[in-house]
Amino acid sequence: GQNIDQPTEMTATEGAIVQINCTYQTSGFNGLFWYQQHAGEAPTFLSYNVLDGLEEKGRFSSFLSRSKGYSYLLLKELQMKDSASYLCAVRGNTGGFKTIFGAGTRLFVKA
Amino acid sequence: SAVISQKPSRDICQRGTSLTIQCQVDSQVTMMFWYRQQPGQSLTLIATANQGSEATYESGFVIDKFPISRPNLTFSTLTVSNMSPEDSSIYLCSATSGDTQYFGPGTRLTVL
Repeated sequence: GQNIDQPTEMTATEGAIVQINCTYQTSGFNGLFWYQQHAGEAPTFLSYNVLDGLEEKGRFSSFLSRSKGYSYLLLKELQMKDSASYLCAVRGNTGGFKTIFGAGTRLFVKA
Repeated sequence: SAVISQKPSRDICQRGTSLTIQCQVDSQVTMMFWYRQQPGQSLTLIATANQGSEATYESGFVIDKFPISRPNLTFSTLTVSNMSPEDSSIYLCSATSGDTQYFGPGTRLTVL
């Protein structure tokens, strides 16, 4: 089975840096996704990590350690529009390569 | 990349009726999935839509309640059968293109 844990809520200040952690346990692993979801909208793809290390994409970076079952999403130079839910999701390598989502972290960016 | 559209975008239905949601992808994709997202919660996988064969359902979801079709590599339907208020949710179609998994805009279903 799969289990994904991430904090329920976080608050940060505009212009700051925030790190959202995700730990997972899975019987098979074929990549980890991060999605952003604003209220009332569909999830938007942010990143995909399948190998260990840091992937940087503009203000957003994602890190993966497969041996530790750990990932984080780093958001730099926070903007008010970054207030959203951030979903960590793990794709397995059996049973159709399905992707299972964590409960999501609701990020509040304050001025 | 893949662009996914869904119809209808929202509907209000009476208890006991059924609704079929359509999902169209603008390119051929290998994997298609259906998720449900209830208010304030994360996404729950309902099933994997298999092209040319029966869908693979997750625990807690059955074919009689959520029949799925996938006649080709770009189209799938999900039917919510014999609806009850507990089925009120957002239903999301998803497809994998390369390493990325994309989502449709969702269908917001309200059952009265």
